[in-house]
Amino acid sequence: EDKVVQSPLSLVVHEGDTVTLNCSYEVTNFRSLLWYKQEKKAPTFLFMLTSSGIEKKSGRLSSILDKKELFSILNITATQTGDSAIYLCAAQNSGGSNYKLTFGKGTLLTVNP
Amino acid sequence: DGGITQSPKYLFRKEGQNVTLSCEQNLNHDAMYWYRQDPGQGLRLIYYSQIVNDFQKGDIAEGYSVSREKKESFPLTVTSAQKNPTAFYLCASSIQGYGEQFFGPGTRLTVL
Repeated sequence: EDKVVQSPLSLVVHEGDTVTLNCSYEVTNFRSLLWYKQEKKAPTFLFMLTSSGIEKKSGRLSSILDKKELFSILNITATQTGDSAIYLCAAQNSGGSNYKLTFGKGTLLTVNP
Repeated sequence: DGGITQSPKYLFRKEGQNVTLSCEQNLNHDAMYWYRQDPGQGLRLIYYSQIVNDFQKGDIAEGYSVSREKKESFPLTVTSAQKNPTAFYLCASSIQGYGEQFFGPGTRLTVL
């Protein structure tokens, strides 16, 4: 059974702190790892990682994938209150014509002023 | 504006009633998905469709049904056979079966 585990499940930090969110996966025929941010309703896409060791960066957010150890991290530097959200990690497989995303439970990040 | 719309935003139903949640996209995406999200849980896949007139069960399909008669529409019916239907339902689409999925704003279903 495909599985994605995120840690920690919740995290409270102060503005300006740097945080690292973890995601490990066990997925048959792994294709890619995706990160989403969910504030109130619809998750919004952050990154898709398919190659090991290549960092993807967008502003204060960055992410990297390790396909040997089967994990990914999402870093947020100089956190702001607007970063408060649930961060979801999802692993995608590529079994024949069936592409599925398996999601972790998410990390609830709270950034206090 | 391109995007995914879901309606209604909130839905209240009595136990034993079937309800249908709407999902429409104008992104010209081939693949569409339905997920369920419960508090403290990630998203769980209910059904997905890679092409019109074809769909597959996800991990928790029991008690749900779908149709895909048009490329832009993928309605989900929550039947009375679904034992615990109260949840937040999210619809998504992607260009093809792989890659980034775009999500709609969701429907919160409460069964009284």
